[in-house]
Amino acid sequence: AQSVTQPDIHITVSEGASLELRCNYSYGATPYLFWYVQSPGQGLQLLLKYFSGDTLVQGIKGFEAEFKRSQSSFNLRKPSVHWSDAAEYFCAAGAGSYQLTFGKGTKLSVIP
Amino acid sequence: DAGVIQSPRHEVTEMGQEVTLRCKPISGHNSLFWYRQTMMRGLELLIYFNNNVPIDDSGMPEDRFSAKMPNASFSTLKIQPSEPRDSAVYFCASSLPEQETQYFGPGTRLLVL
Repeated sequence: AQSVTQPDIHITVSEGASLELRCNYSYGATPYLFWYVQSPGQGLQLLLKYFSGDTLVQGIKGFEAEFKRSQSSFNLRKPSVHWSDAAEYFCAAGAGSYQLTFGKGTKLSVIP
Repeated sequence: DAGVIQSPRHEVTEMGQEVTLRCKPISGHNSLFWYRQTMMRGLELLIYFNNNVPIDDSGMPEDRFSAKMPNASFSTLKIQPSEPRDSAVYFCASSLPEQETQYFGPGTRLLVL
C-alpha cells in the first residue's frame, strides 16, 4: 500500500537554527512529491514539489527539499529558521493520478 | 488571482441539523477535491470531481454525506443529519489535472454539538 511517513510529530528549534523535516514514502515507482505548510487556522500552502530532474528542489520562503531515491526520502530543509516558520508541515506523494497520500504532519515550534 | 474560496469559515450547529459547505475553485481549474482533517485521522480525501463529474467518492463516510458540483465554479458538501463525530476541518482543493498540484482553500471548521 502507498504510504507517506513523517517520523517526527513535533520538532522545536531555536530561531536562526537550521531545520530538517523528514519524509519517507513507500510507492511502487517514484511518485510526485510535495511539501505543504499549514499555519494555525489556515489552509495548506504549497512550499515546493518534485516531479523529475534535479533532486534538489527550491521552494518558497527559503525552503528546499532533496529527493533521495535510494532512501525513499524527500526531506525538507531550511538553513535559518524564522519565528514565522512555526506551523505544521505536511509531506505528500502522488503517483500520476489525482490521489495524493499525505503524511500525518510535523508540527514545528520556534523558540525566540 | 484569487485562490480557492470556501464558506463559511466556521460553522457551529446542533446534532441532527443539515450543514452545507461551499467551495469556489480557482478559475480554470477543472479538478476539485473535498478533504476532511481531524487529529485522529489526518487529511482524508472525501470526493474528487473532474469536469464537474464525481470520479471517486469512496472516501465519503456514509450516506449522510453528499457532494455536488453543478458548474465549474461551485461545489457543495452537505451533511444531513450532522453528528458530533463530523466535527472537523473540511478543505476544498482544486487543480489542473496535468499539473498534479492541488491548491487548498482556507477550510471550514465545523463543530457539531
